[in-house]
Amino acid sequence: LAKTTQPISMDSYEGQEVNITCSHNNIATNDYITWYQQFPSQGPRFIIQGYKTKVTNEVASLFIPADRKSSTLSLPRVSLSDTAVYYCLVGRGATNKLIFGTGTLLAVQP
Amino acid sequence: KAGVTQTPRYLIKTRGQQVTLSCSPISGHRSVSWYQQTPGQGLQFLFEYFSETQRNKGNFPGRFSGRQFSNSRSEMNVSTLELGDSALYLCASSSTGGENGYTFGSGTRLTVV
Repeated sequence: LAKTTQPISMDSYEGQEVNITCSHNNIATNDYITWYQQFPSQGPRFIIQGYKTKVTNEVASLFIPADRKSSTLSLPRVSLSDTAVYYCLVGRGATNKLIFGTGTLLAVQP
Repeated sequence: KAGVTQTPRYLIKTRGQQVTLSCSPISGHRSVSWYQQTPGQGLQFLFEYFSETQRNKGNFPGRFSGRQFSNSRSEMNVSTLELGDSALYLCASSSTGGENGYTFGSGTRLTVV
C-alpha cells in the first residue's frame, strides 16, 4: 500500500475553510484515496473517498490533481466540533487492510 | 440502521490472563477488521475476516487471534496478556472490500495491570 505523508498538526478558527494536503507519491493505478476523522476514544469515521478530480459530499470536498500524487481534503467553515485527527489513506477499493499514518491533528479555535 | 457494536466498552485485566472482545458489524456487512490503537504506535491492523475466513493478517504475535461466525459477528482473543496490550481495540465492517469506506465501532478500551 502506498505510504502517505500529512502535516502533523494544523490550527484554524471557526468559520474558516481548512485544507489538509496528503502526499502519496507511490500511489498505484487502482488505488483510491480515503479520508477518515477520529475523535478521542472513538473509532475513525469515514469522511470521503475519491479516485481522481474532485469529489464532494455534505461534509467535505476532496481534490485530486491529474498525477494523483497528492490530495487535499477541504472542510468548509469549520467549527469547534471539527477538532479531531484526520487520516489520509491510499489503497485499492477492495483493500481490506487499512494502513493508517500519523494523521493530522486539526485544532479549531473560537 | 445500527452501527458497529463492540462489547465490552471498557475492560481491566491482569497480566497473564486472556480476554475476548466482541464485534457486531452493520447488518449485511460481511467483512470485519480489527485494529489496535496505542499512543505510541497509532492505529495498527490486526486481521480481517470475510465470510468466516481470515483474509488478511497484520504483524502481531500469535497471542492475538480472531474468528468470525456465520452471522458475521466477530470475536478477537488475546491470550497471556502483557502490559503493552493495553490499547483501544477497534472493529470495522464493510460490505465487501471497503468501496464506500469502512464503518468503525467505538472500540473496547483494554487496560492490563
